[in-house]
Amino acid sequence: AQSVAQPEDQVNVAEGNPLTVKCTYSVSGNPYLFWYVQYPNRGLQFLLKYITGDNLVKGSYGFEAEFNKSQTSFHLKKPSALVSDSALYFCAVRHNTNAGKSTFGDGTTLTVKP
Amino acid sequence: DAGVIQSPRHEVTEMGQEVTLRCKPISGHNSLFWYRQTMMRGLELLIYFNNNVPIDDSGMPEDRFSAKMPNASFSTLKIQPSEPRDSAVYFCASSLGTPTSEAFFGQGTRLTVV
Repeated sequence: AQSVAQPEDQVNVAEGNPLTVKCTYSVSGNPYLFWYVQYPNRGLQFLLKYITGDNLVKGSYGFEAEFNKSQTSFHLKKPSALVSDSALYFCAVRHNTNAGKSTFGDGTTLTVKP
Repeated sequence: DAGVIQSPRHEVTEMGQEVTLRCKPISGHNSLFWYRQTMMRGLELLIYFNNNVPIDDSGMPEDRFSAKMPNASFSTLKIQPSEPRDSAVYFCASSLGTPTSEAFFGQGTRLTVV
């Protein structure tokens, strides 16, 4: 069975500082990994994904994520946080032998303080 | 494309009443997902369809819940009879039917059962 863990319920950073939101996964076979962001009273929005190739993936709004196969991690990063980055972030894995189903983590609330 | 369209955005109903939530996926997407989000349980996959066929409904909480997808451009999630514990935000999402494709979420329907 596939699973995703986001070990931190909350991450707090100061504006301008780098941020990291952690994600680890467990899946047999090749993982397809995704990050989504949810702003208040909105649906989830796709940020970026890792399919294959370069372990560093760049996405929307200046976010990037690093795939680490040995550590089974896919941490979300941004070099300089903005107050507007404050939101709920979800990591997800989509299994390559089950085209439909994604497994989401529990989400991490990111708060960026001015 | 207008994205995934859900209706209604808000629904308040009395316990015991039937509730129908509606979703129009993005044209050309052949996978459709229904999720439920609550503070207590996070984001839960209820059911998903591929090419209008239900593939996995193991997340449907009980027989009071049913979902249909009569054609590629429309799906419904019905709760009959509704109960207060069904109060949640219900999201519909669609994607291409490949494991490398990201999901596009609707704005959600906030359901309150009193």
